[in-house]
Amino acid sequence: DTEVTQTPKHLVMGMTNKKSLKCEQHMGHRAMYWYKQKAKKPPELMFVYSYEKLSINESVPSRFSPECPNSSLLNLHLHALQPEDSALYLCASSQGLRGWENIQYFGAGTRLSVL
Amino acid sequence: DAKTTQPTSMDCAEGRAANLPCNHSTISGNEYVYWYRQIHSQGPQYIIHGLKNNETNEMASLIITEDRKSSTLILPHATLRDTAVYYCIANLQGGSEKLVFGKGTKLTVNP
Repeated sequence: DTEVTQTPKHLVMGMTNKKSLKCEQHMGHRAMYWYKQKAKKPPELMFVYSYEKLSINESVPSRFSPECPNSSLLNLHLHALQPEDSALYLCASSQGLRGWENIQYFGAGTRLSVL
Repeated sequence: DAKTTQPTSMDCAEGRAANLPCNHSTISGNEYVYWYRQIHSQGPQYIIHGLKNNETNEMASLIITEDRKSSTLILPHATLRDTAVYYCIANLQGGSEKLVFGKGTKLTVNP
């Protein structure tokens, strides 16, 4: 099983709303990632978690707040977003961060629209 | 990580081999070449990676030139379902955990 599950698939929110994106994997992977992808652009890394601890934050605005409750789950909490934050948000996981462990498996993404 | 350069788009006839080139002239000796693809409205999918030797798996073959400055991903018998954006990434094995995606090649397989 190489599945990474993201929910919801689609989300529409206002600029004052608070919402969360969820990501789950049951491959025993210890590293998990959030990427942001704008239309017709490549994915861009946002956050990396390793062993449930934040390893990388790519200078992401604080209105995006990641959380890793356990090794199988990764959340992205959203608050006070802007319309330009509308994008496809992708979650990925890998066995680890180095060498052969860093082959990443991606979910299908959450398509977010901020009104 | 070395910068990679790929053609913006390519076409291939169904059933024929698709050969996708990637230039990575600044690659260092310990950087691997990875290939991922992204089918429309889905997440990226790992295809294959290699260092010096040619590699083959159930999805594709990877041919790396002797000087390692370029490589070619080969889909031996392309199907309509192979229509996707293909990303070539040069990444330090055992180094950075980041995947830096370039613009990729949009491959269209035609019936």
